Amino acid sequence: EVQLVESGGGLVQPGRSLRLSCAASGFTLDDYAMHWVRQAPGKGLEWVSGITWKSSFIAYADSVKGRFTISRDNAKNSLYLQMNSLRAEDTAFYYCVKDKGMRLLFYFDYWGQGTQVTVSS
Amino acid sequence: DIQMTQSPSSLSASVGDRVTITCRASQGIRNDLGWYQQKPGKAPMRLIYAASSLQSGVPSRFSGSGSGTEFTLTISSLQPEDFATYYCLQHNTYPPTFGQGTKVEIK
Repeated sequence: EVQLVESGGGLVQPGRSLRLSCAASGFTLDDYAMHWVRQAPGKGLEWVSGITWKSSFIAYADSVKGRFTISRDNAKNSLYLQMNSLRAEDTAFYYCVKDKGMRLLFYFDYWGQGTQVTVSS
Repeated sequence: DIQMTQSPSSLSASVGDRVTITCRASQGIRNDLGWYQQKPGKAPMRLIYAASSLQSGVPSRFSGSGSGTEFTLTISSLQPEDFATYYCLQHNTYPPTFGQGTKVEIK
């Protein structure tokens, strides 16, 4: 069974940093591209970033480009999101999401339960 | 970016009703569309991929149709566990974009 478990969320002041982690199990992480998708309180879904299986290609939404960095460690079955220069508008639930293949196809087939990030002074 | 417009934004229905949700793309996306269900406090779950293919394990009362710019999610007979918010997602053109959601409530 595919399982994705996010951690690392919390309350942080504007301008500070936070690192999210996603632990994957039930499948071979190496074989799949992975993504982060977020959902602001009471709002819809927004794709944030994606990374191919060997980290050879990475993409970011314009809203986070230059501030967020996605990475992965296949040996540790883990995906990460380093979030710097956080803003109030980054407040959201952040979901770790699996793609269907090695490339960025954006077939979001399995989702973790999410981790809450709140940016506030 | 491709805009995905869902309608209605919310609806009230009774158990046993047939429910239809529409998603329109601002430009053609072939059949590169998925439908997701999200219950309060839970992660989204995919119901339909490639516009009309049922995700494994999803009840057959859910169905999807459409191609190009207009797509439909149909629940043939609404069940109590179907009250949730539904989103469409296009992945034809980068960046991927979601519809704004349709909340299905109990009448």
